[in-house]
Amino acid sequence: RKEVEQDPGPFNVPEGATVAFNCTYSNSASQSFFWYRQDCRKEPKLLMSVYSSGNEDGRFTAQLNRASQYISLLIRDSKLSDSATYLCVVILNSGGYQKVTFGTGTKLQVIP
Amino acid sequence: GAVVSQHPSRVICKSGTSVKIECRSLDFQATTMFWYRQFPKQSLMLMATSNEGSKATYEQGVEKDKFLINHASLTLSTLTVTSAHPEDSSFYICSAPPQATNEKLFFGSGTQLSVL
Repeated sequence: RKEVEQDPGPFNVPEGATVAFNCTYSNSASQSFFWYRQDCRKEPKLLMSVYSSGNEDGRFTAQLNRASQYISLLIRDSKLSDSATYLCVVILNSGGYQKVTFGTGTKLQVIP
Repeated sequence: GAVVSQHPSRVICKSGTSVKIECRSLDFQATTMFWYRQFPKQSLMLMATSNEGSKATYEQGVEKDKFLINHASLTLSTLTVTSAHPEDSSFYICSAPPQATNEKLFFGSGTQLSVL
């Protein structure tokens, strides 16, 4: 089993639609979780951190379920500009060593 | 916020040449730097972790002699692709780890390497 797994893409959705991505992680000791957005051949940009209580930023909502070891990202009212690859990132801190693992990414294409 | 400067952004070179990529932390000290490679339509894959003042830690399957990593100071980490071949063509990107729990990663802007 991969350490971090994401929904396979691509997701093709019409403008205005709601779309959700999931990401599962294998190490229950993982401590920090993030969603990043990456445009083609660019560096990933932080979209939002994911907290246990869930958090929302405008049209974006992130959830963490530690019991089931997954995080989710919900995008409401999709815009054309949301088209990108969304990466989940899981960070484990252990004995002074930090391990950062990226999911494979889910490609989103918002269609006019 | 913290910034990581990566150069060059794009390199086109002949097969057999060596290419050096630099990542500098501009307003903070990075004792560790992650180096990733990303092939088209694939995710970021960790190649190695550079550590200031000690040897880099390479991921399984990454050739140490081909991808030379040096972390000479607290603000500079370099990746040298030696004797590059077309199969080394890829997007290379560095990242400094979060400075505290729940803080974000700091990415360089990436280097697109094309080996002819």
